[in-house]
Amino acid sequence: GENVEQHPSTLSVQEGDSAVIKCTYSDSASNYFPWYKQELGKRPQLIIDIRSNVGEKKDQRIAVTLNKTAKHFSLHITETQPEDSAVYFCAEYITGGGSNYKLTFGKGTLLTVNP
Amino acid sequence: GAGVSQSPSNKVTEKGKDVELRCDPISGHTALYWYRQSLGQGLEFLIYFQGNSAPDKSGLPSDRFSAERTGGSVSTLTIQRTQQEDSAVYLCASSLVGGGGSYNSPLHFGNGTRLTVT
Repeated sequence: GENVEQHPSTLSVQEGDSAVIKCTYSDSASNYFPWYKQELGKRPQLIIDIRSNVGEKKDQRIAVTLNKTAKHFSLHITETQPEDSAVYFCAEYITGGGSNYKLTFGKGTLLTVNP
Repeated sequence: GAGVSQSPSNKVTEKGKDVELRCDPISGHTALYWYRQSLGQGLEFLIYFQGNSAPDKSGLPSDRFSAERTGGSVSTLTIQRTQQEDSAVYLCASSLVGGGGSYNSPLHFGNGTRLTVT
């Protein structure tokens, strides 16, 4: 079945430190893994995504790594800043030949960056 | 360009009344999702429309909830006989899904409708 587990549920770091959020998925057919950031009172917005044909992707201070063998993917934020404080959601998206394109989200991680 | 538009932005209703929430997806997006988000909680999948295919209704919490998508564009989520536990933010999202199953595009969310059932 489709299930993505996300840890930790809350994460507090000091400004300048790194933050890592991990997600584990169960369906080996999954091949696209986006990460969304939701600031308080705002809509979720895509910040980075990775497809199953690569193991790592970077965009400035954020990066995502994917381990298909272990079925987990992680979000890495370096040199954290107070504006990184938000809820982060990972997601699992199954495509390719089937009719189910449903995007399933993890339960979210509340990241707090302390100045 | 225009993003996903949802209306109303806020809705207060009395318990037992019916409500309709509207979503205008981005033009040309074939996939449309409804999610529910309770205060401080995650994104609960409700229903998914993809082109002319039968919708995936597996996330609807009860038969009081239903959704339609007319002409492959605008969608309405209807909640009948509202209950206090229905209070939440209802988020709509759309995406452009390519053919062949080998291409995906990210979801674009609307600002949501905050529903309060008194």
